[in-house]
Amino acid sequence: GAVVSQHPSWVICKSGTSVKIECRSLDFQATTMFWYRQFPKQSLMLMATSNEGSKATYEQGVEKDKFLINHASLTLSTLTVTSAHPEDSSFYICSATGRGARDTEAFFGQGTRLTVV
Amino acid sequence: GEDVEQSLFLSVREGDSSVINCTYTDSSSTYLYWYKQEPGAGLQLLTYIFSNMDMKQDQRLTVLLNKKDKHLSLRIADTQTGDSAIYFCAESMSGNKLVFGAGTILRVKS
Repeated sequence: GAVVSQHPSWVICKSGTSVKIECRSLDFQATTMFWYRQFPKQSLMLMATSNEGSKATYEQGVEKDKFLINHASLTLSTLTVTSAHPEDSSFYICSATGRGARDTEAFFGQGTRLTVV
Repeated sequence: GEDVEQSLFLSVREGDSSVINCTYTDSSSTYLYWYKQEPGAGLQLLTYIFSNMDMKQDQRLTVLLNKKDKHLSLRIADTQTGDSAIYFCAESMSGNKLVFGAGTILRVKS
């Protein structure tokens, strides 16, 4: 099946710094990538949808200047958490759909656990 | 608005069947999904069902869909300790977005 690789798996950063999370589709062209956030013992909440080569569409309540999403190629999307604060600590997961993958399936990365201290 | 609800916790004995239930609100959803999440890991797609189907069976997994009641269930036959995880149901929205339930923690006792 299609593979989505997310990096890093976990990261600890200081308050005020920025952190970049990468999401790569390894064997298909990801025309659309989704970024989700998961708080402990809660479900995944969609943060934004990005289509290759265009600006991301953010869900209501998600600050686009704080969570910068870039989807410059068909195999890579990045999420940058800028000026991170402890309340940004969470589990971030990307998923991708696109050409070469079944239309019915969104493939998920392994997730990145961000801890801001 | 979109809303997906699940029971939060289920405990079964090894070898028994597990049934995880889910209700959703958007009748226009084309596909409904079941995902499995093990601790600290991403989501793994277990199975999905097209909205015009009533049932889908895939080895130990059986999905039942009652579109009239907007009710989805996942039955795991002969539950094993390796099935212990969080199970999420999700409905597809326009643009391939998924709306997830809060997840059901399945604990399998040996």
